[in-house]
Amino acid sequence: QQQVKQSPQSLIVQKGGISIINCAYENTAFDYFPWYQQFPGKGPALLIAIRPDVSEKKEGRFTISFNKSAKQFSLHIMDSQPGDSATYFCAASRARYGQNFVFGPGTRLSVLP
Amino acid sequence: SAVISQKPSRDICQRGTSLTIQCQVDSQVTMMFWYRQQPGQSLTLIATANQGSEATYESGFVIDKFPISRPNLTFSTLTVSNMSPEDSSIYLCSGSLGSTDTQYFGPGTRLTVL
Repeated sequence: QQQVKQSPQSLIVQKGGISIINCAYENTAFDYFPWYQQFPGKGPALLIAIRPDVSEKKEGRFTISFNKSAKQFSLHIMDSQPGDSATYFCAASRARYGQNFVFGPGTRLSVLP
Repeated sequence: SAVISQKPSRDICQRGTSLTIQCQVDSQVTMMFWYRQQPGQSLTLIATANQGSEATYESGFVIDKFPISRPNLTFSTLTVSNMSPEDSSIYLCSGSLGSTDTQYFGPGTRLTVL
Protein backbone atom coordinates (compact mmCIF):
# COMPACT_ATOMS: atom_id res chain seq x y z
CA GLN A 1 0.00 0.00 0.00
CA GLN A 2 2.96 2.27 0.48
CA GLN A 3 4.34 1.71 -3.01
CA VAL A 4 4.34 4.30 -5.78
CA LYS A 5 4.69 2.92 -9.29
CA GLN A 6 6.25 4.99 -12.06
CA SER A 7 6.54 4.54 -15.82
CA PRO A 8 8.30 4.54 -18.15
CA GLN A 9 11.69 3.66 -16.72
CA SER A 10 13.35 5.68 -19.45
CA LEU A 11 12.11 8.08 -22.08
CA ILE A 12 13.67 9.62 -25.17
CA VAL A 13 12.03 12.68 -26.66
CA GLN A 14 12.96 15.02 -29.47
CA LYS A 15 13.53 18.67 -28.68
CA GLY A 16 10.22 20.50 -28.71
CA GLY A 17 8.22 17.38 -28.01
CA ILE A 18 6.05 16.49 -25.03
CA SER A 19 7.43 14.26 -22.28
CA ILE A 20 4.89 12.34 -20.23
CA ILE A 21 5.68 10.38 -17.08
CA ASN A 22 3.01 8.48 -15.18
CA CYS A 23 2.70 7.44 -11.54
CA ALA A 24 0.17 5.35 -9.64
CA TYR A 25 -0.42 4.79 -5.95
CA GLU A 26 -2.54 2.56 -3.74
CA ASN A 27 -2.83 4.36 -0.42
CA THR A 28 -5.85 6.68 -0.58
CA ALA A 29 -4.57 8.48 2.51
CA PHE A 30 -1.82 10.13 0.47
CA ASP A 31 -2.56 13.85 0.17
CA TYR A 32 0.54 15.42 -1.33
CA PHE A 33 2.16 14.49 -4.64
CA PRO A 34 5.42 16.19 -5.62
CA TRP A 35 7.67 15.68 -8.61
CA TYR A 36 11.42 15.96 -8.24
CA GLN A 37 14.08 16.52 -10.88
CA GLN A 38 17.57 15.19 -10.33
CA PHE A 39 20.65 15.89 -12.40
CA PRO A 40 23.72 13.63 -12.15
CA GLY A 41 25.75 14.37 -9.05
CA LYS A 42 23.06 16.62 -7.57
CA GLY A 43 20.33 16.20 -5.01
CA PRO A 44 16.69 16.04 -6.10
CA ALA A 45 15.02 19.43 -6.60
CA LEU A 46 11.29 20.05 -6.29
CA LEU A 47 9.75 20.69 -9.68
CA ILE A 48 6.04 20.92 -9.02
CA ALA A 49 3.55 19.45 -6.56
CA ILE A 50 -0.20 18.91 -6.33
CA ARG A 51 -2.82 18.07 -3.73
CA PRO A 52 -5.83 15.86 -4.49
CA ASP A 53 -8.34 18.72 -4.32
CA VAL A 54 -7.31 19.88 -7.82
CA SER A 55 -7.08 17.92 -11.05
CA GLU A 56 -4.34 19.91 -12.73
CA LYS A 57 -1.54 22.29 -11.88
CA LYS A 58 0.65 24.11 -14.35
CA GLU A 59 3.92 25.93 -13.79
CA GLY A 60 5.57 27.12 -16.97
CA ARG A 61 6.22 24.14 -19.23
CA PHE A 62 5.48 21.64 -16.45
CA THR A 63 1.97 20.34 -15.73
CA ILE A 64 0.72 17.77 -13.25
CA SER A 65 -2.50 15.98 -14.07
CA PHE A 66 -4.18 14.22 -11.16
CA ASN A 67 -6.90 11.56 -11.33
CA LYS A 68 -8.08 10.83 -7.81
CA SER A 69 -10.52 8.07 -8.74
CA ALA A 70 -7.86 6.21 -10.72
CA LYS A 71 -5.19 6.96 -8.13
CA GLN A 72 -2.87 8.18 -10.83
CA PHE A 73 -0.95 11.35 -11.56
CA SER A 74 1.31 12.37 -14.37
CA LEU A 75 3.92 14.94 -15.29
CA HIS A 76 3.79 16.60 -18.68
CA ILE A 77 6.78 18.57 -19.94
CA MET A 78 5.82 20.71 -22.89
CA ASP A 79 8.35 21.90 -25.46
CA SER A 80 10.97 19.59 -23.98
CA GLN A 81 14.53 20.91 -24.08
CA PRO A 82 17.91 19.16 -23.88
CA GLY A 83 18.37 20.89 -20.51
CA ASP A 84 15.40 18.89 -19.22
CA SER A 85 17.43 15.70 -19.55
CA ALA A 86 17.48 14.35 -16.01
CA THR A 87 15.91 11.72 -13.80
CA TYR A 88 12.40 12.49 -12.57
CA PHE A 89 10.90 11.04 -9.42
CA CYS A 90 7.28 11.18 -8.37
CA ALA A 91 6.46 10.88 -4.70
CA ALA A 92 3.50 10.71 -2.36
CA SER A 93 2.99 11.43 1.30
CA ARG A 94 0.43 11.89 4.04
CA ALA A 95 1.62 15.42 4.50
CA ARG A 96 -0.96 16.49 7.05
CA TYR A 97 0.33 13.75 9.33
CA GLY A 98 3.93 14.74 8.78
CA GLN A 99 4.86 11.43 7.25
CA ASN A 100 7.79 10.94 4.97
CA PHE A 101 7.69 10.69 1.20
CA VAL A 102 7.37 7.45 -0.72
CA PHE A 103 9.31 7.83 -3.96
CA GLY A 104 8.69 6.17 -7.29
CA PRO A 105 11.57 4.31 -8.95
CA GLY A 106 12.37 7.20 -11.30
CA THR A 107 12.31 7.96 -15.02
CA ARG A 108 15.43 8.84 -16.92
CA LEU A 109 14.52 11.43 -19.55
CA SER A 110 16.76 12.19 -22.51
CA VAL A 111 15.81 15.06 -24.81
CA LEU A 112 17.59 14.91 -28.12
CA PRO A 113 18.69 18.17 -29.75
CA SER B 1 12.82 27.66 0.47
CA ALA B 2 15.77 26.15 2.26
CA VAL B 3 19.33 25.63 1.11
CA ILE B 4 20.97 22.48 2.41
CA SER B 5 24.66 21.72 2.40
CA GLN B 6 26.39 18.46 3.19
CA LYS B 7 29.94 17.59 4.15
CA PRO B 8 31.86 15.75 2.87
CA SER B 9 30.69 15.69 -0.73
CA ARG B 10 32.43 12.37 -1.24
CA ASP B 11 34.75 10.01 0.57
CA ILE B 12 36.52 6.72 0.13
CA CYS B 13 36.73 4.68 3.30
CA GLN B 14 38.16 1.40 4.45
CA ARG B 15 36.03 -1.51 5.58
CA GLY B 16 35.33 -1.47 9.31
CA THR B 17 35.71 2.27 9.79
CA SER B 18 33.00 4.87 10.38
CA LEU B 19 32.12 8.10 8.59
CA THR B 20 30.05 11.01 9.89
CA ILE B 21 28.15 13.10 7.36
CA GLN B 22 27.07 16.59 8.29
CA CYS B 23 23.95 18.35 7.08
CA GLN B 24 23.45 22.09 7.53
CA VAL B 25 20.29 24.03 6.65
CA ASP B 26 20.27 27.77 6.12
CA SER B 27 16.94 28.15 7.94
CA GLN B 28 15.06 26.42 10.71
CA VAL B 29 13.22 23.35 9.47
CA THR B 30 10.62 21.31 11.28
CA MET B 31 11.72 17.94 10.01
CA MET B 32 14.98 16.52 8.69
CA PHE B 33 15.43 13.22 6.92
CA TRP B 34 18.28 11.01 5.80
CA TYR B 35 18.04 8.97 2.61
CA ARG B 36 20.21 6.48 0.78
CA GLN B 37 20.34 6.34 -3.00
CA GLN B 38 22.20 3.79 -5.06
CA PRO B 39 23.42 5.25 -8.38
CA GLY B 40 20.61 5.11 -10.90
CA GLN B 41 18.09 4.08 -8.25
CA SER B 42 15.37 5.73 -6.22
CA LEU B 43 15.63 7.18 -2.73
CA THR B 44 15.23 5.01 0.34
CA LEU B 45 14.46 6.68 3.64
CA ILE B 46 16.86 5.73 6.44
CA ALA B 47 15.38 7.76 9.27
CA THR B 48 13.71 10.95 10.41
CA ALA B 49 16.03 13.06 12.52
CA ASN B 50 14.15 14.44 15.51
CA GLN B 51 15.45 17.50 17.29
CA GLY B 52 16.47 16.72 20.83
CA SER B 53 15.37 13.10 20.75
CA GLU B 54 16.21 9.78 19.15
CA ALA B 55 15.75 9.45 15.42
CA THR B 56 12.91 7.38 13.97
CA TYR B 57 14.31 4.58 11.81
CA GLU B 58 12.67 2.85 8.88
CA SER B 59 12.45 -0.89 8.60
CA GLY B 60 15.83 -2.37 7.80
CA PHE B 61 17.85 0.46 9.36
CA VAL B 62 19.08 0.43 12.95
CA ILE B 63 20.56 3.00 15.26
CA ASP B 64 23.73 1.02 15.93
CA LYS B 65 24.59 1.08 12.24
CA PHE B 66 23.32 4.58 11.41
CA PRO B 67 23.40 6.75 14.54
CA ILE B 68 21.86 10.16 13.91
CA SER B 69 22.06 13.36 15.88
CA ARG B 70 20.05 16.55 15.56
CA PRO B 71 21.10 19.03 18.22
CA ASN B 72 19.10 21.95 16.79
CA LEU B 73 16.70 22.96 14.03
CA THR B 74 19.36 23.57 11.38
CA PHE B 75 21.93 20.78 11.80
CA SER B 76 22.06 16.99 11.75
CA THR B 77 24.65 14.27 11.38
CA LEU B 78 24.46 10.72 10.10
CA THR B 79 27.20 8.24 10.97
CA VAL B 80 27.71 5.12 8.91
CA SER B 81 29.33 2.70 11.33
CA ASN B 82 31.52 -0.35 10.80
CA MET B 83 31.29 0.12 7.07
CA SER B 84 31.30 -2.63 4.48
CA PRO B 85 31.34 -2.36 0.67
CA GLU B 86 27.54 -2.77 0.74
CA ASP B 87 27.33 0.66 2.37
CA SER B 88 28.75 2.28 -0.75
CA SER B 89 26.00 4.66 -1.84
CA ILE B 90 24.91 8.28 -2.00
CA TYR B 91 23.57 9.62 1.27
CA LEU B 92 21.15 12.54 1.09
CA CYS B 93 19.79 14.80 3.76
CA SER B 94 16.55 16.73 3.37
CA GLY B 95 14.58 19.26 5.37
CA SER B 96 10.94 20.22 5.47
CA LEU B 97 9.75 23.69 6.46
CA GLY B 98 7.02 23.88 9.04
CA SER B 99 4.47 25.73 6.92
CA THR B 100 4.84 23.64 3.76
CA ASP B 101 5.21 20.00 2.91
CA THR B 102 8.08 20.40 0.50
CA GLN B 103 11.31 18.57 1.23
CA TYR B 104 14.49 20.31 0.16
CA PHE B 105 17.48 18.11 -0.52
CA GLY B 106 21.18 18.53 -0.05
CA PRO B 107 23.62 17.66 -2.83
CA GLY B 108 24.43 14.27 -1.32
CA THR B 109 27.53 12.53 -0.04
CA ARG B 110 28.98 9.86 -2.30
CA LEU B 111 30.51 7.14 -0.16
CA THR B 112 32.74 4.37 -1.45
CA VAL B 113 33.82 1.62 0.92
CA LEU B 114 36.79 -0.50 -0.11
